[in-house]
Amino acid sequence: QKEVEQNSGPLSVPEGAIASLNCTYSDRVSQSFFWYRQYSGKSPELIMSIYSNGDKEDGRFTAQLNKASQYVSLLIRDSQPSDSATYLCAGLSSGSARQLTFGSGTQLTVLP
Amino acid sequence: DAGVIQSPRHEVTEMGQEVTLRCKPISGHDYLFWYRQTMMRGLELLIYFNNNVPIDDSGMPEDRFSAKMPNASFSTLKIQPSEPRDSAVYFCASRSGQGQFTGELFFGEGSRLTVL
Repeated sequence: QKEVEQNSGPLSVPEGAIASLNCTYSDRVSQSFFWYRQYSGKSPELIMSIYSNGDKEDGRFTAQLNKASQYVSLLIRDSQPSDSATYLCAGLSSGSARQLTFGSGTQLTVLP
Repeated sequence: DAGVIQSPRHEVTEMGQEVTLRCKPISGHDYLFWYRQTMMRGLELLIYFNNNVPIDDSGMPEDRFSAKMPNASFSTLKIQPSEPRDSAVYFCASRSGQGQFTGELFFGEGSRLTVL
């Protein structure tokens, strides 16, 4: 199993809808997780982090972590065309080598 | 403050040629990472440095790839000889080692490499 896996998509939702992006992880990744957004032709940028079981909300974004199921998700409420991007899930590797391992990303398109 | 600076932004070369990608991290950042991004494999960590010392190069695909960090403000990733399958976007990223890691890496704009 890959350390961090994402549904590769692509995912299309209408403007105003909720977009749900999902990620699973292996035991080789510690339980700190991050969501990066990458616009086409640009570099990734951090938008959310989550360390504890449960939900974390920031504006229209909600990150969810379920440690028992080794599952992380990102919900985007009231999706806007400007949210169209690739979303990368990342986990912090276990052990002394504290580095980020990224999933392959999910391409989201929000249709006007 | 300037962000992570990478050069060249685009490189087109022929198979067998040497390619050198360059990176200047954010001043004061003591971790530097080289990632490669392709559609098929996503964003892969190639190597990272801490205080100019290579810590983990297990992601470097072959001996054709090498990376150096001669000082705190400069790193290179070299591919020699290059092959078409090396075509990808190569990102350099840096972060501070001070305090608890927040998960934020600061990425450069990337170097898009095409090997014909």
